[in-house]
Amino acid sequence: AQSVAQPEDQVNVAEGNPLTVKCTYSVSGNPYLFWYVQYPNRGLQFLLKYITGDNLVKGSYGFEAEFNKSQTSFHLKKPSALVSDSALYFCAVLPNLSSNTGKLIFGQGTTLQVKP
Amino acid sequence: DTAVSQTPKYLVTQMGNDKSIKCEQNLGHDTMYWYKQDSKKFLKIMFSYNNKELIINETVPNRFSPKSPDKAHLNLHINSLELGDSAVYFCASSQGGGRYNSPLHFGNGTRLTVT
Repeated sequence: AQSVAQPEDQVNVAEGNPLTVKCTYSVSGNPYLFWYVQYPNRGLQFLLKYITGDNLVKGSYGFEAEFNKSQTSFHLKKPSALVSDSALYFCAVLPNLSSNTGKLIFGQGTTLQVKP
Repeated sequence: DTAVSQTPKYLVTQMGNDKSIKCEQNLGHDTMYWYKQDSKKFLKIMFSYNNKELIINETVPNRFSPKSPDKAHLNLHINSLELGDSAVYFCASSQGGGRYNSPLHFGNGTRLTVT
């Protein structure tokens, strides 16, 4: 079965430190990969995506993610965390076979807590 | 100038009632979606429409019926509401038409509470 895993329910980091939110996937073929962020009582907001090309993708608010095909991972990173980055982060995968339907598979979400 | 707007924001109702949630997008997208987020924040797609045509219809009880009068609107009607329907329902849109790898734009959600 195709799936996305975010192994950490919560990540805690001090402001100014680098952060990593992990994501691994299990799909056939070459998937499209996404990160979204959800602030309290809001809808999800798109951060970045990997379609093809350079494995390091840069996105909104200083976030970046690295696609690693051999490890089937797409970890979200930021060099220096801000308190305002505290939110719920979702990794999502669009299997290539589903690319004509838009049927995204979401991970279970990781809560990022950045402390001052 | 809200891109994807859904109403109402909160919906509290009793079991057995019928209710609707409305969604509108002004982004010119041709694909719209309904997602359900449960109490553990898990997100699951329910339906998607492309230019008023049903594309995705997940295993959802047939008490849930989407309706798309035009490509800018996708409403969700729920009959005979049950306690387990309590969740946050998100509408989203994207540029489809063979470019389904384009990002989703989400509304702010409708929190449905069934008592």
